[in-house]
Amino acid sequence: DVKVTQSSRYLVKRTGEKVFLECVQDMDHENMFWYRQDPGLGLRLIYFSYDVKMKEKGDIPEGYSVSREKKERFSLILESASTNQTSMYLCASTRGLAGVGGELFFGEGSRLTVL
Amino acid sequence: SQQGEEDPQALSIQEGENATMNCSYKTSINNLQWYRQNSGRGLVHLILIRSNEREKHSGRLRVTLDTSKKSSSLLITASRAADTASYFCATVATDSWGKLQFGAGTQVVVTP
Repeated sequence: DVKVTQSSRYLVKRTGEKVFLECVQDMDHENMFWYRQDPGLGLRLIYFSYDVKMKEKGDIPEGYSVSREKKERFSLILESASTNQTSMYLCASTRGLAGVGGELFFGEGSRLTVL
Repeated sequence: SQQGEEDPQALSIQEGENATMNCSYKTSINNLQWYRQNSGRGLVHLILIRSNEREKHSGRLRVTLDTSKKSSSLLITASRAADTASYFCATVATDSWGKLQFGAGTQVVVTP
């Protein structure tokens, strides 16, 4: 069974802390994505990666960075967490291009609270 | 910016009834996908319809696509309590390679 695993389901951090959200997929997918989900706003794309060490900005990259050192792992980094980054973070992966037939497989989500 | 917008935002029906939700989008697309999310969980892919298709079925799901109106609908027939979830449409604009964009979703509650 295909699997996307996010390391933490729930995190509580303080303003200014550095936060790492880890995502691992076991499907040998080329493309990986980080979204944040907020009520009434749906999912918004933060960053995506189409290959190891490659990354592309999504719609809301400010305040975030990413790392893709290995094909199976895509990390989201909040350099200095702020309260407006309190959200649900969803990682996803796909083999093909998302726009030409590649369905996304999602992890269970990481709910981050920044105090 | 959101590419797709679902309507209605919320829907409450009884078991056995049909549930219909709509999605409108802004630009030309390659395909449109529908996803489902149970409360507090990740999203699960339901169905994909390509821009040259008008209708597609999968079990109790029926999806239509009208590219001239830039809209799609998802019909769930004979709904069950287990269909209670949020449903999202997602699109990739033809000029936005790889960036699957989601709407805000329709929250569906099916009561026994």
